[in-house]
Amino acid sequence: GAVVSQHPSWVICKSGTSVKIECRSLDFQATTMFWYRQFPKQSLMLMATSNEGSKATYEQGVEKDKFLINHASLTLSTLTVTSAHPEDSSFYICSARPGLGTGELFFGEGSRLTVL
Amino acid sequence: KQEVTQIPAALSVPEGENLVLNCSFTDSAIYNLQWFRQDPGKGLTSLLLIQSSQREQTSGRLNASLDKSSGRSTLYIAASQPGDSATYLCAVDPTGTASKLTFGTGTRLQVTL
Repeated sequence: GAVVSQHPSWVICKSGTSVKIECRSLDFQATTMFWYRQFPKQSLMLMATSNEGSKATYEQGVEKDKFLINHASLTLSTLTVTSAHPEDSSFYICSARPGLGTGELFFGEGSRLTVL
Repeated sequence: KQEVTQIPAALSVPEGENLVLNCSFTDSAIYNLQWFRQDPGKGLTSLLLIQSSQREQTSGRLNASLDKSSGRSTLYIAASQPGDSATYLCAVDPTGTASKLTFGTGTRLQVTL
């Protein structure tokens, strides 16, 4: 299957700092990528849809100024958590879908963010 | 609003057993349904995708079925192995664009020796 790489896997930061997470599709181009957040023992919650070359589409209740998404190329989307606070600590996962495929979605390995 | 439920929430079986995981959804207007596994602290691995026009899909020891009209899907795992231990998630996609996926809460499977 297609490969999606996410980096970093783990990040610990101080409150008030910003953290950037990268999501790359390694063997296909993705005009659209998706960012999810997962709390312990819960399912995935879609945060936003990242669109190459245009603004991201955020789900209701997700602060776009807090979670900055940039999709500068067909293989890279980034999520920046700005002015992070302890309540932002979570597991963030990205996913991507090959352009004209079956609709099958491929996920990155996830990034565990801990804000002290 | 689509709701996806997975039963049971947790399951423990001895190695070698065949098992069935259930996924039910309230809105039958789906484009496809996808099954994933998630290992602790990891992302999701795609297992099987069933289009709404299909009844089942098979991959190795895995078989997924879909009954769209009744809002149900099952994932059958044959001859379970300890390496199958993980959380299994189903997700329904109403459009085929993956932009409005609704995930179930998952079934945490443990296969014991």
